[in-house]
Amino acid sequence: SQTIHQWPATLVQPVGSPLSLECTVEGTSNPNLYWYRQAAGRGLQLLFYSIGIDQISSEVPQNLSASRPQDRQFILSSKKLLLSDSGFYLCAWSVGRTFAGEQYFGPGTRLTVT
Amino acid sequence: ILNVEQSPQSLHVQEGDSTNFTCSFPSSNFYALHWYRWETAKSPEALFVMTLNGDEKKKGRISATLNTKEGYSYLYIKGSQPEDSATYLCASEGPGGGSQGNLIFGKGTKLSVKP
Repeated sequence: SQTIHQWPATLVQPVGSPLSLECTVEGTSNPNLYWYRQAAGRGLQLLFYSIGIDQISSEVPQNLSASRPQDRQFILSSKKLLLSDSGFYLCAWSVGRTFAGEQYFGPGTRLTVT
Repeated sequence: ILNVEQSPQSLHVQEGDSTNFTCSFPSSNFYALHWYRWETAKSPEALFVMTLNGDEKKKGRISATLNTKEGYSYLYIKGSQPEDSATYLCASEGPGGGSQGNLIFGKGTKLSVKP
């Protein structure tokens, strides 16, 4: 069966510090991978998606970046965090190159930027 | 840009009550409508994916309908139980300028069921 892992579960970082959140998927090959964020009072917003290794698309302009160095590894990074980066970050995967397929979410990371 | 709206924002019901919430979405360039349940301290869990106008899906006491012509979907819960307490998210899936298969989520309806 497929499993998706995210870490860390919670993180408190000062403004201007770097960020690295990691997501790994087990039990599937060539998944589509996604990073979402839920900021306070807002819905889940898609930040990045990837259809393959080193193939990353950004949905919104921001000071975050994503990388996919391996088929089942997705990393969210920032060189300098802003207060507005606080939120709940979710990684998700879906079967690659299909529409109307379910997305499977990880446990999430609660990021607080102080 | 797709805009998905959900109402109500929150809902408090007694155990045994039946309830429903609404999701509205742009009907142009529509591919699929997704419903997820997000319980506190857990990951969002897929409930339904619907693609065709008039689709109805059911899972236990929960069901959903889809109207793609007017751009809305209803989620129904019959005989609510405390374990149904969660935030219910809907998401529209569309081509979105090459972003195939990507979802645009509403803000969710938070349901609280009191015993």
